[in-house]
Amino acid sequence: AQKVTQAQTEISVVEKEDVTLDCVYETRDTTYYLFWYKQPPSGELVFLIRRNSFDEQNEISGRYSWNFQKSTSSFNFTITASQVVDSAVYFCALTGYSTLTFGKGTMLLVSP
Amino acid sequence: DARVTQTPRHKVTEMGQEVTMRCQPILGHNTVFWYRQTMMQGLELLAYFRNRAPLDDSGMPKDRFSAEMPDATLATLKIQPSEPRDSAVYFCASGLIPDSGANVLTFGAGSRLTVL
Repeated sequence: AQKVTQAQTEISVVEKEDVTLDCVYETRDTTYYLFWYKQPPSGELVFLIRRNSFDEQNEISGRYSWNFQKSTSSFNFTITASQVVDSAVYFCALTGYSTLTFGKGTMLLVSP
Repeated sequence: DARVTQTPRHKVTEMGQEVTMRCQPILGHNTVFWYRQTMMQGLELLAYFRNRAPLDDSGMPKDRFSAEMPDATLATLKIQPSEPRDSAVYFCASGLIPDSGANVLTFGAGSRLTVL
């Protein structure tokens, strides 16, 4: 069975602070994909990134960066210089070849 | 941008009433998922279809929920009779998933259901 754990339920930061959202996963699949989705207050789920299990290179996209470490089964997400618009619930998710299993989400509150 | 369209966006109904939620997946996508989001359980998979065929509906309460894909442009999720515990946001998502890999799912905006 697959499992995704996001231990941080809620994080509050002040604008311009860096923040890291943790994600730990469990799977027996040798090939799998990891995702991050953002859910802003409007409610939709917005895709941020996909990573396959064979690609452990870290990725940076603007203020966002992702650290994938197979040895610790973690796929952490860092926002540098956070902004109020980053306030949202962030979900980490995992799939083998079929369904997407989500973590419970981390609510990020960025105050001015 | 291609979108997954869900209707209705909001629905308030009374216990015992039938509720039907509809989803128009992105044209060309072969896989459609129904997820339910609640505060307590988070995002749970209810059912999914590949090429319109149901592959897994083990997440759905069978006695009251049903999911169908009458054609490639429409997926439906029906609850009959509805109960207060069904109050949640129901998301439809679609993707182009080959047999040997995984692809990105695009989610609809969700249907917020309140059962009184």
